Amino acid sequence: AQSVSQHNHHVILSEAASLELGCNYSYGGTVNLFWYVQYPGQHLQLLLKYFSGDPLVKGIKGFEAEFIKSKFSFNLRKPSVQWSDTAEYFCAVKGAGNMLTFGGGTRLMVKP
Amino acid sequence: ETGVTQTPRHLVMGMTNKKSLKCEQHLGHNAMYWYKQSAKKPLELMFVYNFKEQTENNSVPSRFSPECPNSSHLFLHLHTLQPEDSALYLCASSQEGTGLNTDTQYFGPGTRLTVL
Repeated sequence: AQSVSQHNHHVILSEAASLELGCNYSYGGTVNLFWYVQYPGQHLQLLLKYFSGDPLVKGIKGFEAEFIKSKFSFNLRKPSVQWSDTAEYFCAVKGAGNMLTFGGGTRLMVKP
Repeated sequence: ETGVTQTPRHLVMGMTNKKSLKCEQHLGHNAMYWYKQSAKKPLELMFVYNFKEQTENNSVPSRFSPECPNSSHLFLHLHTLQPEDSALYLCASSQEGTGLNTDTQYFGPGTRLTVL
């Protein structure tokens, strides 16, 4: 069975600070990895995804994530956050089949 | 984003009521999903339909009954629910197979369900 762990449940940053959200997964085979974002009052949206190739993936709104296979990690980063990045962020992993397993989410609050 | 729509957006029901949630996807996808999002718990997969066939039932109680009449529509029939079933129910769709845009799930806005 696959599982996903997001270590930070709540993160508070000031604008222009750098962001890194941790995501670790457990699954023995080939995986597809995703970060989704849920802005207040809005639905889940895809931020970025990794299927294969370059382990550094760039997504929308200046976000990027790096797949480190040896560490089973897929951390999300942004060099300089904005108030509009306040949201909940979910890491997800997909192994065999089409079952997507989500982490518990990280609530990010950016102070203006 | 109107690729996946869900109705109603909010629903309040008593424990003896019967109601249905509806999901429609306009993306031409071949797989649809129901998820439950509760406070302080990870998003939980409930059901998966591939080409209208149910391929996954993640140990969901029988008071939740899914129906997928075609690849664009998905229903979740509810009866004799419990207060702990109150949550946000999300529908998603994806194109399963090979290719660049496959395997990514797109989510609807959800139905906020309150069981009294």
